[in-house]
Amino acid sequence: ILNVEQSPQSLHVQEGDSTNFTCSFPSSNFYALHWYRWETAKSPEALFVMTLNGDEKKKGRISATLNTKEGYSYLYIKGSQPEDSATYLCAFIRITDSWGKLQFGAGTQVVVTP
Amino acid sequence: DSGVTQTPKHLITATGQRVTLRCSPRSGDLSVYWYQQSLDQGLQFLIQYYNGEERAKGNILERFSAQQFPDLHSELNLSSLELGDSALYFCASSVDGGRETQYFGPGTRLLVL
Repeated sequence: ILNVEQSPQSLHVQEGDSTNFTCSFPSSNFYALHWYRWETAKSPEALFVMTLNGDEKKKGRISATLNTKEGYSYLYIKGSQPEDSATYLCAFIRITDSWGKLQFGAGTQVVVTP
Repeated sequence: DSGVTQTPKHLITATGQRVTLRCSPRSGDLSVYWYQQSLDQGLQFLIQYYNGEERAKGNILERFSAQQFPDLHSELNLSSLELGDSALYFCASSVDGGRETQYFGPGTRLLVL
């Protein structure tokens, strides 16, 4: 994989259900992976910075895992609420860009319906 | 509120004109990044400054330039504007480095008519 890919592009979730989606990135030259949450008409809000293979991070009902050897990260939302509706972006940093150039995926748009 | 401020929020101008977008980073952050979000593209990195010096360039057009001042605020200058320059321009700041969280400002929406 050459670029950052996110799947699915969008998903609809019933309130109370849990969901997860994927960020795939080049497994070589890994330096860091960032997750952002982006609500309409707002700016991207940082969720996690993941740096080590096997990393697991949690913030409230949202958690993320990282597998640098195979080049993927999962984001989980447990017990989805309408306020979780947003586009979730992942951004990859290569070791050659360790100063901080984020290479963004296209995002997964999550819509939570009551 | 991320602590990063950007002005103006909206800008409407004509082709051929020049505009300046301004960004003030969070207190204590030395790095400033500029990103562009066009209608049909994801967030694209433009340029980064660290403590007043240019650190890296991405897909930034020659018509665009930026600088970071001694007080650490940054300006992005866009000249000879074209219709395709219409986009949302974000500034982000971090303490330093790729393992630090980047905090995004509210963005400047530029419309070139």
